[in-house]
Amino acid sequence: GAVVSQHPSWVICKSGTSVKIECRSLDFQATTMFWYRQFPKQSLMLMATSNEGSKATYEQGVEKDKFLINHASLTLSTLTVTSAHPEDSSFYICSASSSPGRTLEKLFFGSGTQLSVL
Amino acid sequence: SQQGEEDPQALSIQEGENATMNCSYKTSINNLQWYRQNSGRGLVHLILIRSNEREKHSGRLRVTLDTSKKSSSLLITASRAADTASYFCATEINNDMRFGAGTRLTVKP
Repeated sequence: GAVVSQHPSWVICKSGTSVKIECRSLDFQATTMFWYRQFPKQSLMLMATSNEGSKATYEQGVEKDKFLINHASLTLSTLTVTSAHPEDSSFYICSASSSPGRTLEKLFFGSGTQLSVL
Repeated sequence: SQQGEEDPQALSIQEGENATMNCSYKTSINNLQWYRQNSGRGLVHLILIRSNEREKHSGRLRVTLDTSKKSSSLLITASRAADTASYFCATEINNDMRFGAGTRLTVKP
């Protein structure tokens, strides 16, 4: 099946620094990639949707200047948490879809990144 | 925002028993999907059921969909300890997919 690689798996950083998380589709072209945030024992909260070559669409309440998303190619999307603070500590997951058109039939997920901001 | 709501929130059963999880949603959908998440990992797609389908099977998994009640159920038969995970339903409409709150399943050996 399709593979989505997400790096790093975990990162610890100091408050005020920026952290970049990469999401790569290894064996397919991802027309759309999604970024989620997940708190312990809770569901996935969609942060933004990114399409290759265009600006990401952010969900209401998600600061686009805080969470920078770049989808420069059909196989790579990055999420940069700028000026991270302890409240940004969370589990971040990406997913990718290869299906064009109006229906999402299956998402392939990265393994997630646990961010801890000290 | 979430679309689906699963119940129960948590389920603990013995190995060999069946596990049933339910998902309710609010709006019309194109399809409904079930995903599994092991602790601290990404999600894995289990099964998709389209809005014009009522039941699907995949191995020990059985999914039903009742569009009139806006609900779906996931049945795992003959459960194994390795089935311990969180299970999420996801509803899709017009390229927008939303996840429910999930059911945490524990299968005791």
